[in-house]
Amino acid sequence: GAGVSQSPRYKVAKRGQDVALRCDPISGHVSLFWYQQALGQGPEFLTYFQNEAQLDKSGLPSDRFFAERPEGSVSTLKIQRTQQEDSAVYLCASSGDRGRGQPQHFGDGTRLSIL
Amino acid sequence: GQNIDQPTEMTATEGAIVQINCTYQTSGFNGLFWYQQHAGEAPTFLSYNVLDGLEEKGRFSSFLSRSKGYSYLLLKELQMKDSASYLCAVRPRKKNSGNTPLVFGKGTRLSVIA
Repeated sequence: GAGVSQSPRYKVAKRGQDVALRCDPISGHVSLFWYQQALGQGPEFLTYFQNEAQLDKSGLPSDRFFAERPEGSVSTLKIQRTQQEDSAVYLCASSGDRGRGQPQHFGDGTRLSIL
Repeated sequence: GQNIDQPTEMTATEGAIVQINCTYQTSGFNGLFWYQQHAGEAPTFLSYNVLDGLEEKGRFSSFLSRSKGYSYLLLKELQMKDSASYLCAVRPRKKNSGNTPLVFGKGTRLSVIA
């Protein structure tokens, strides 16, 4: 497709379960970002990939969060032993350049609810 | 640290002009972006400023003053469909090679009324 695609759109899990969220970036985009957005807040950075290399994971809130992009295209964000505070919208964004100017293009996000 | 401030909510009348302000304090500066986000949807890119001055794009304009750490988004001829959240985001200076994540404000929820 033409845009960033995320799946699933909605995910409900019980506390303690593991979840996996998928992101298909725009074809050819080198940079891929994951953000977490709480209700009524702006997105907050989680992690960044340049091709398959994870260059920055400083925003991951705990070691229960893990992200990968093994072939430099599709990325998966995994959350282990989910907790209620993990409930949020998880946004994926991709960008075509390595620096200035070009914007990050966002997917519609995955709304995660932990019961 | 990183701090971006913008008003939480604004209301304006259809057909009018509205200005949404954003002030920032970040570790270096490498550009400022404005995004529009309708409820339950992806943020969509509106504008980018890296040099001081005004960038105009149709009904939307964005202004930047780097010395003041200040930007605004100007929306003209407001339409009902402009009701959305508007996110101000700064790209701090790159620490190393590669791209840099954006630091977002909390967003300004704009309601356009008839």
